[in-house]
Amino acid sequence: EVQLVESGGGLVKPGGSLRLSCAASGFTFSSHSMNWVRQAPGKGLEWVSSISSISNHIYYEDSVKGRFTISRDNAKNSLYLQMNSLRAEDTAVYYCARDLNLWDVWGQGTTVTVSS
Amino acid sequence: QSVLTQPPSASGTPGQRVTISCSGSSSNIGSNYVYWFQQLPGTAPKLLIYRNNQRPSGVPDRFSGSKSGTSASLAISGLRSEDELDYYCAAWDDSLSGVLFGGGTKLTVL
Repeated sequence: EVQLVESGGGLVKPGGSLRLSCAASGFTFSSHSMNWVRQAPGKGLEWVSSISSISNHIYYEDSVKGRFTISRDNAKNSLYLQMNSLRAEDTAVYYCARDLNLWDVWGQGTTVTVSS
Repeated sequence: QSVLTQPPSASGTPGQRVTISCSGSSSNIGSNYVYWFQQLPGTAPKLLIYRNNQRPSGVPDRFSGSKSGTSASLAISGLRSEDELDYYCAAWDDSLSGVLFGGGTKLTVL
């Protein structure tokens, strides 16, 4: 079964850090670009970051540039999002999704809450 | 960061055909593929349409996508009560080097 499973969310204080993970299974992870998308409570979907299959192309939404780092380990079939200098406005459910040109597989999401 | 423009709400009666619009610009919809997603609040989005008008396997042919210039549309025919969900469009933006999502449309089946 093709599947993405996110983990690593939680409650963190403003200025803190979290590392999200997305474990892929059921498909050739190394052949696909990957994405992070978030959804704040009661709000719409917001793209966060994307990474190409071999990590040679990386893109970020402006508000997370310099604070978030996307990475992947194709040997471990895993995608990551290192989030530093977290702000209250980063509070959201974070989803990983497969392929910039497909968007066909999504994880169930992991919740990040930034609050003192 | 700017978004693609969708109407916040749409409605129709069972069996009716409804369309949801997504307006962008030459740097996004005008030059890149459009994707449509369906979401039950609190759950992960589901891909409905990819590459402007392609349906993934398992998506009923009641759902169709189209694009013209800098706008795109999602059409739902034979409206059913289970279609009462949120719908989002998305497209790559060449100027921003990033993905834009529409603000979302809440569909009500009257």
